[in-house]
Amino acid sequence: DIQMTQSPSSLPASLGDRVTITCRASQDIGNYLRWFQQKPGKSPRLMIYGATNLAAGVPSRFSGSRSGSDYSLTISSLESEDMADYYCLQSKESPWTFGGGTKLELK
Amino acid sequence: EVQLVESGGGLVQPGRSLKLSCAASGFTFSNYGMHWIRQAPTKGLEWVASISPSGGSTYYRDSVKGRFTISRDNAKSTLYLQMDSLRSEDTATYYCATILFDYWGQGVMVTVSS
Repeated sequence: DIQMTQSPSSLPASLGDRVTITCRASQDIGNYLRWFQQKPGKSPRLMIYGATNLAAGVPSRFSGSRSGSDYSLTISSLESEDMADYYCLQSKESPWTFGGGTKLELK
Repeated sequence: EVQLVESGGGLVQPGRSLKLSCAASGFTFSNYGMHWIRQAPTKGLEWVASISPSGGSTYYRDSVKGRFTISRDNAKSTLYLQMDSLRSEDTATYYCATILFDYWGQGVMVTVSS
């Protein structure tokens, strides 16, 4: 199975900060990488697909990038509504596997 | 507007069964594969099972193989998850989602406890 190692697990940050969350894939997944945002008591929301493509309705301060087997989600200028949990997912092959999650919280 | 609405959750004893449903609307259900994903309390997301548009192909995570069965009724635009021999570690909120993970239901809670 493909393992997705996500870091950090917790990320304290201030409004206006630039923040980056990273996932490392244990095998080649190409660009089959998605990022999700989940707020308390809510369903996950797709933010990024194909490693770098913004999903519909997602603010442009979010971006995705890839460097080898490392995939990153960056928020260029943190807003209060961005405080949430974030998860990566490899969608290359079954079993589809999520990263362990990152809790983004106010410092 | 795409809508996915799960139902059928609840409290069940270990070893018993439960069947979840996911009613889909706002898109041509029969054209899309579907997933079930779960999230244990205070834990991360975990993919559970997937099914092809026709229902002819199914996929499961190892821990539920032989116990869970994913199925669909395209005439009713409904996805199912039959869960047998339930264990305490199956306690979670269960979500259905479209094949590209772009639409999710609101989730339904399943609690396995005596």
